[in-house]
Amino acid sequence: GIQVEQSPPDLILQEGANSTLRCNFSDSVNNLQWFHQNPWGQLINLFYIPSGTKQNGRLSATTVATERYSLLYISSSQTTDSGVYFCAAADQTGANNLFFGTGTRLTVIP
Amino acid sequence: DAGVIQSPRHEVTEMGQEVTLRCKPISGHNSLFWYRQTMMRGLELLIYFNNNVPIDDSGMPEDRFSAKMPNASFSTLKIQPSEPRDSAVYFCASSARGFDYGYTFGSGTRLTVV
Repeated sequence: GIQVEQSPPDLILQEGANSTLRCNFSDSVNNLQWFHQNPWGQLINLFYIPSGTKQNGRLSATTVATERYSLLYISSSQTTDSGVYFCAAADQTGANNLFFGTGTRLTVIP
Repeated sequence: DAGVIQSPRHEVTEMGQEVTLRCKPISGHNSLFWYRQTMMRGLELLIYFNNNVPIDDSGMPEDRFSAKMPNASFSTLKIQPSEPRDSAVYFCASSARGFDYGYTFGSGTRLTVV
């Protein structure tokens, strides 16, 4: 299956700072999603973004499919942004078989 | 909508016992997925259904695992017999095929096999 690599593995931010999380994938994709797993374990879908750019409040994401990477931007971080951010992708042979990266653990300190 | 509903939230069982996990997808979603999350292996797809039909069960670890979706509003994942290495958080997710394939996950079932 498709390989998904995320960086950095860990990130500590002061409240109010901005950050960029990166996701590299090994093959062409037709399904790419970003999720946030909060400290209680709940997985929340942030973006479905196989290509292009989307924004939702303080979060935005960009996928450059031709170069096989996606970026998640968090601006003006808040303590509630803490948790693990996962990127997941499926290649063009199996749109529903999402492979998850190992995640970026974000800690926002007040 | 109440979202994807999973039950139970926590399950502790003894090795060798049968375990059944339940999932109710979002109404109108026609794809359903079962995932398992462990520290060692992260999030893994076990099986998924489209329109109640199992499409890919290659992630099911062994014959001890089985999944059914008898109708559009209900799915089960069964482990029989259970083993300690099955301890994990099991997530169910659903999505609607169409413009946006974004998945909605349930709250998960934390399974502990002792």
